[in-house]
Amino acid sequence: GEDVEQSLFLSVREGDSSVINCTYTDSSSTYLYWYKQEPGAGLQLLTYIFSNMDMKQDQRLTVLLNKKDKHLSLRIADTQTGDSAIYFCAEKTGNAGNMLTFGGGTRLMVKP
Amino acid sequence: SQTIHQWPATLVQPVGSPLSLECTVEGTSNPNLYWYRQAAGRGLQLLFYSVGIGQISSEVPQNLSASRPQDRQFILSSKKLLLSDSGFYLCAWTPGLLNEQFFGPGTRLTVL
Repeated sequence: GEDVEQSLFLSVREGDSSVINCTYTDSSSTYLYWYKQEPGAGLQLLTYIFSNMDMKQDQRLTVLLNKKDKHLSLRIADTQTGDSAIYFCAEKTGNAGNMLTFGGGTRLMVKP
Repeated sequence: SQTIHQWPATLVQPVGSPLSLECTVEGTSNPNLYWYRQAAGRGLQLLFYSVGIGQISSEVPQNLSASRPQDRQFILSSKKLLLSDSGFYLCAWTPGLLNEQFFGPGTRLTVL
């Protein structure tokens, strides 16, 4: 079955880079996603990467995908206090209904 | 542009009472719709998904049910709530052929 795992917690200082890691098990996944959840709110799609890509950059966000190791990471450059949130990685599993399997989320705390 | 609404935003219900949470999507047609539950401090669990009116797939056996009476309306229900039904319920949609899921603002349910 599919399984997506993330570390629970990450703390960084404002201005530093943050790297949030994720591992998955389904080698047939086609898309992998990063979502951000601020306190009491729904999930906001940050970025996604197609499985035939190694890297995707979007402003302060860089996604790296190592398909061989089934490892996905999200790097946030120049982390700001407003980046404090829970970050979820997810993979698209199967074809029916475009379902996603989510990791447990990584809580990022940015200290001033 | 497309928007997704959830109602109510918060709800406190006694054990054994019924439940009805509503999700509506605007600006699109024939979306895939999803209900997730997020327990406190944990990741997302997919509860139900629907690819069309009257078509509901359940991911986990539980005390809840879902219905899709209209193309852009997805309802989560229970006849008798349990304490373990407490959590943050998120509705999401995706266009039929694309992969990103867009989330609503969520409903926080507390069962006492």
